[in-house]
Amino acid sequence: DVKVTQSSRYLVKRTGEKVFLECVQDMDHENMFWYRQDPGLGLRLIYFSYDVKMKEKGDIPEGYSVSREKKERFSLILESASTNQTSMYLCASSLPARGVGYTFGSGTRLTVV
Amino acid sequence: AQTVTQSQPEMSVQEAETVTLSCTYDTSESDYYLFWYKQPPSRQMILVIRQEAYKQQNATENRFSVNFQKAAKSFSLKISDSQLGDAAMYFCAYRGQGGSEKLVFGKGTKLTVNP
Repeated sequence: DVKVTQSSRYLVKRTGEKVFLECVQDMDHENMFWYRQDPGLGLRLIYFSYDVKMKEKGDIPEGYSVSREKKERFSLILESASTNQTSMYLCASSLPARGVGYTFGSGTRLTVV
Repeated sequence: AQTVTQSQPEMSVQEAETVTLSCTYDTSESDYYLFWYKQPPSRQMILVIRQEAYKQQNATENRFSVNFQKAAKSFSLKISDSQLGDAAMYFCAYRGQGGSEKLVFGKGTKLTVNP
């Protein structure tokens, strides 16, 4: 069964900490995405990558960075965590073809205290 | 930029009945794809159904079907014979042209199924 795996299901961090959220896919997908999900706001795109070492900003990149050193792994980095970054983070991957949907991970619920 | 609007934050349906979830979108493109995703309490997003804009025929997957009205930019999801397992958040999404191929999501509709 193909998978997108997010390293943590729940995470609690302190304000000011550097936080790494890891995502690994085993489908050889070129595209990978990080979304943030908040009640009433839906899913908002933070960053995406369409190739190794390539990245593009999404709609809400402020306070985040990403790293993609290998095709299967896409990391989201919170440089200095703040309480307003408490949220659900969803990773997804896809083939470049537009007609295919994404395959999602099961999410990381991050709480910043 | 493309936008996707789901005007119903919450919906409820009786088990075995039919429910329709609404979605409208705004785009100037002529070629695009539309999707409905389901997110149950387990949080795993599941692709329910997809529609290609250049296809006139509405997509169907078992009890799930869409009513795609391209001119009206409307893409509603109909769930027939609703089951308790259909209870979830449902997200409408748009994927257009261009190299990024990113999905734009609506804010979601929470569906409750009453026994």
